Amino acid sequence: GESVGLHLPTLSVQEGDNSIINCAYSNSASDYFIWYKQESGKGPQFIIDIRSNMDKRQGQRVTVLLNKTVKHLSLQIAATQPGDSAVYFCAETPAAGNKLTFGGGTRVLVKP
Amino acid sequence: DAGVTQSPTHLIKTRGQQVTLRCSPKSGHDTVSWYQQALGQGPQFIFQYYEEEERQRGNFPDRFSGHQFPNYSSELNVNALLLGDSALYLCASSSGSGAQETQYFGPGTRLLVL
Repeated sequence: GESVGLHLPTLSVQEGDNSIINCAYSNSASDYFIWYKQESGKGPQFIIDIRSNMDKRQGQRVTVLLNKTVKHLSLQIAATQPGDSAVYFCAETPAAGNKLTFGGGTRVLVKP
Repeated sequence: DAGVTQSPTHLIKTRGQQVTLRCSPKSGHDTVSWYQQALGQGPQFIFQYYEEEERQRGNFPDRFSGHQFPNYSSELNVNALLLGDSALYLCASSSGSGAQETQYFGPGTRLLVL
């Protein structure tokens, strides 16, 4: 079946460095992509989204890149801070409907 | 402006029992989606409610049912609980009838089935 997955289950980053989290998706009909951050004991928190007609979108300290040719999505976090330690999920929806399909998540650990 | 709220925060049930979880959407939102998140995994879509009707459904058995009220709040009901139903149940709200509306999540209800 269609799925969204992540390449790296755990990412350890030095405080102040940039983080890159990768995600592969297999559904070619995916049209809308979202990155969520989930801290322990909390629900997923929206970080940034991108639609399939875009290649790049920037937010505050975060950038999402979409490569539709190879069905790859990435989240870049600039100047990673201790508060960025969490599990990050990519999710996608098809053009029709609003059902989110999540990957398994990547844990980011920020070392002081 | 309150975000998505869920109750209760934690719940312990035994096999065979029934449970009802509640969700109030973010102000201005009219669509509610429910997800199940097993430990160490990503959330799995259960179903979505819009205009008090189930609009989409994931691969969950009929033991999982829901309801949306006129004020857009929603309930998730699970009958004949199994040990495997132990999970974090997340509610997400969004606005509009169109697709690709950003979904905002509540803190979840942690259900433990013994």
